[in-house]
Amino acid sequence: GAGVSQTPSNKVTEKGKYVELRCDPISGHTALYWYRQSLGQGPEFLIYFQGTGAADDSGLPNDRFFAVRPEGSVSTLKIQRTERGDSAVYLCASSFFDMTGQGRTEAFFGQGTRLTVV
Amino acid sequence: DAKTTQPPSMDCAEGRAANLPCNHSTISGNEYVYWYRQIHSQGPQYIIHGLKNNETNEMASLIITEDRKSSTLILPHATLRDTAVYYCIVRVAGSTLGRLYFGRGTQLTVWP
Repeated sequence: GAGVSQTPSNKVTEKGKYVELRCDPISGHTALYWYRQSLGQGPEFLIYFQGTGAADDSGLPNDRFFAVRPEGSVSTLKIQRTERGDSAVYLCASSFFDMTGQGRTEAFFGQGTRLTVV
Repeated sequence: DAKTTQPPSMDCAEGRAANLPCNHSTISGNEYVYWYRQIHSQGPQYIIHGLKNNETNEMASLIITEDRKSSTLILPHATLRDTAVYYCIVRVAGSTLGRLYFGRGTQLTVWP
């Protein structure tokens, strides 16, 4: 597809369970980002990948959260032992890596995965 | 860390210009001003960005004050589909978008 694709669009899970959220970025985009958005708040940064490596994971709230991007394309956000407070919309975005220093890199966001922990 | 200040809500009549203000008084010389918007139940959408000159594209115009401490996003002829939350963000040139702080933005409501 032409845009960032996230699956599933909705996920309901029980407290304590493990979940995986998938992101398919735009083809050719080397940068990939995960954000989390709670109701009434703006998106909150979680982690950024440049290629296969996590260049900045300082936004991950705790060690229950982990993300991978093994081949530099698709990324999976993994949440262990889910808690009700993890309920949110998880957004993925991708972009070209801005090497020009001119701020031209715009990020394209997916529709998000709405995670509900019951 | 909040680097921008926006009013929580604004409204505008359809067909009129919507002017959304943003204060970024601590902006650094190498930081750009970006605007995104988020329509209900969708991911954020890039609108426009600028450094110090005014910018215009097919979606909007961005007016940045000479001292760069504030800016205004202008939607020249607002439509009902422009109802969304608008985020003003500052970003260092050459950096990734990873550490963008979205804040709560401005909820723009366009009424018929």
